Amino acid sequence: AQRVTQPEKLLSVFKGAPVELKCNYSYSGSPELFWYVQYSRQRLQLLLRHISRESIKGFTADLNKGETSFHLKKPFAQEEDSAMYYCALKDTGGFKTIFGAGTRLFVKA
Amino acid sequence: ETGVTQSPTHLIKTRGQQVTLRCSSQSGHNTVSWYQQALGQGPQFIFQYYREEENGRGNFPPRFSGLQFPNYSSELNVNALELDDSALYLCASSWGDSGNTEAFFGQGTRLTVV
Repeated sequence: AQRVTQPEKLLSVFKGAPVELKCNYSYSGSPELFWYVQYSRQRLQLLLRHISRESIKGFTADLNKGETSFHLKKPFAQEEDSAMYYCALKDTGGFKTIFGAGTRLFVKA
Repeated sequence: ETGVTQSPTHLIKTRGQQVTLRCSSQSGHNTVSWYQQALGQGPQFIFQYYREEENGRGNFPPRFSGLQFPNYSSELNVNALELDDSALYLCASSWGDSGNTEAFFGQGTRLTVV
C-alpha cells in the first residue's frame, strides 16, 4: 500500500542548530516526492520537490530509494522556520497525492 | 492573478444533511484537487478534476461527489453527512493533468457536523 510516514509529530530545536525532519514512504514504483510547509495562519504551500534537486530557504531533501526515505534537512535552523511540515508522495498517474501526518517544527530562540 | 479561494470559510451542518463547498482555481489553472484534513492528520486526497472530468479518486464513498465548471472552478458535494465528515476541506489548483506542476492550495473550509 502507498503510505507516507512522518515519525515525529513535534520537533523542537534551538536557533542555529541543524534540523532534520524524517519522512519514509512505501510505494511500488518510482515516486515523486515533495515537502509542503504551512506557516502560522497561512495556507499550505510547496517547499520543494525531489526532481528539482533544489535548496529552498536553506532546506534540502535527498531521495534515498534504498531506505525509501526523503528526509528534509537544514544546517542552521531559524525562528521563521517554525511551521508544520508535510511530506507527500505523488503516484505514477500523477493525480493522487498522499500526505504524511505532518511534523510541527518549533525553533527556539 | 488571483489565488485559490474557497467558500465558505466555516460551516456547521447537522448529521444527515447535504453540503456544497466551492473552490475558485488560480487564474490559468485547469485542474482542481480536493482534500479532507481531519484534526492532527495530513490532507487525504478525495478526487481530482481536469477539464471538467474526474480523472482520479481516493478512498472516499460515492456520497462525496464533485463538479468542475467551464471556468475551472469546482464544487465538492457531500450527501448524508456523518459526524466523521467534520474536517478541514482543502482544494488545490494546478495546470495540466500530469501532476508535474505545482499545486496551489486554498485556505480551506472548516466543516463541523453536529
